[in-house]
Amino acid sequence: DGGITQSPKYLFRKEGQNVTLSCEQNLNHDAMYWYRQDPGQGLRLIYYSQIVNDFQKGDIAEGYSVSREKKESFPLTVTSAQKNPTAFYLCASSIQGGQPQHFGDGTRLSIL
Amino acid sequence: SQKIEQNSEALNIQEGKTATLTCNYTNYSPAYLQWYRQDPGRGPVFLLLIRENEKEKRKERLKVTFDTTLKQSLFHITASQPADSATYLCALDGGEKLTFGTGTRLTIIP
Repeated sequence: DGGITQSPKYLFRKEGQNVTLSCEQNLNHDAMYWYRQDPGQGLRLIYYSQIVNDFQKGDIAEGYSVSREKKESFPLTVTSAQKNPTAFYLCASSIQGGQPQHFGDGTRLSIL
Repeated sequence: SQKIEQNSEALNIQEGKTATLTCNYTNYSPAYLQWYRQDPGRGPVFLLLIRENEKEKRKERLKVTFDTTLKQSLFHITASQPADSATYLCALDGGEKLTFGTGTRLTIIP
């Protein structure tokens, strides 16, 4: 069954640490996305990638970094520069940009 | 600046009635609009896409309308059931990416 896998489901970070969230898809989709969801604020786009080895900043990229070395993988690193990292992070993919997106079940990041 | 508004944060509807959710946008000319359902602790699930030249789209008990003059989409669930309780998000295309509204939390009361 095709889909998107995000891991882990829950993640804890100490102050000053970088942490990497995993996102893998087996849908053969070209485009992948990372969103952050806070209560009452909907989904905000962090980074997106239309093709391997290329990605663009979204609306709230500061304090985050990504890579797209393989079509099926789009990991997100939350760096220590992100001052308010506690949130629900969602990864998505689509056949191409702007098309309906398939989402993973998210990673909830908390600061210890 | 571009703005998307969904009519209310929360909507309570009696079981069996029609639920109507609203998505309004400004400073936007989307080629199409999408609706998603999100359950607590889960990722959104795509429901329907409607293009700017389509007035209405249906899928089982779901109906979506798109009025580019009013800059508004309406999302209807007919014969609503408690299992329809969820948050519903509209999303507008921006070329390579989508911009999501904040969502409406729908509760169907038995």
